[in-house]
Amino acid sequence: EDQVTQSPEALRLQEGESSSLNCSYTVSGLRGLFWYRQDPGKGPEFLFTLYSAGEEKEKERLKATLTKKESFLHITAPKPEDSATYLCAVQETNDYKLSFGAGTTVTVRA
Amino acid sequence: DAGITQSPRHKVTETGTPVTLRCHQTENHRYMYWYRQDPGHGLRLIHYSYGVKDTDKGEVSDGYSVSRSKTEDFLLTLESATSSQTSVYFCAISEGEGRSSPLHFGNGTRLTVT
Repeated sequence: EDQVTQSPEALRLQEGESSSLNCSYTVSGLRGLFWYRQDPGKGPEFLFTLYSAGEEKEKERLKATLTKKESFLHITAPKPEDSATYLCAVQETNDYKLSFGAGTTVTVRA
Repeated sequence: DAGITQSPRHKVTETGTPVTLRCHQTENHRYMYWYRQDPGHGLRLIHYSYGVKDTDKGEVSDGYSVSRSKTEDFLLTLESATSSQTSVYFCAISEGEGRSSPLHFGNGTRLTVT
């Protein structure tokens, strides 16, 4: 059973059109939930860590939120440079490994 | 970049040949990881290391071995490459201690097995 499921697989947005990405997870105990951005031909780039339900983190046009079963990455008024694949990963209690979802590929058109 | 260098960046090899990928870090982090990334599967953990000569298997370790003789280097070996091992391989590092231990990734090695 997959621990981390991301939806949608792909998202096409017009510049300025806000939207949200979903990451649902199933773990026995959550040490942390991580969001990464990945550009073509590059490795994932760390964005945020969330630790407990109700927590929120922001960076420029991105805002990540966390509940007990899922996380959302909100993209407000996106620009073409926000086009990338966004990955979600979870880290279980007493573990240092991350389990990743398959990602959401976001394309923002000017 | 988080001080991680992967080599080579691209490699084409034939089925049945051994292949070694190298990951070098300048951060002196304790934990190092090898992941593979395939369309539709996301990143899957192959092996990881929690110190010099201390390694363990991940979820897709069959056909792979690793070695870590120095803190800064983590080698991934495909003992006899198969077409199913065509993939992009990423090395990652983390401090591994304390509350926050995000992984930081290299830029990957694209391996094609013909």
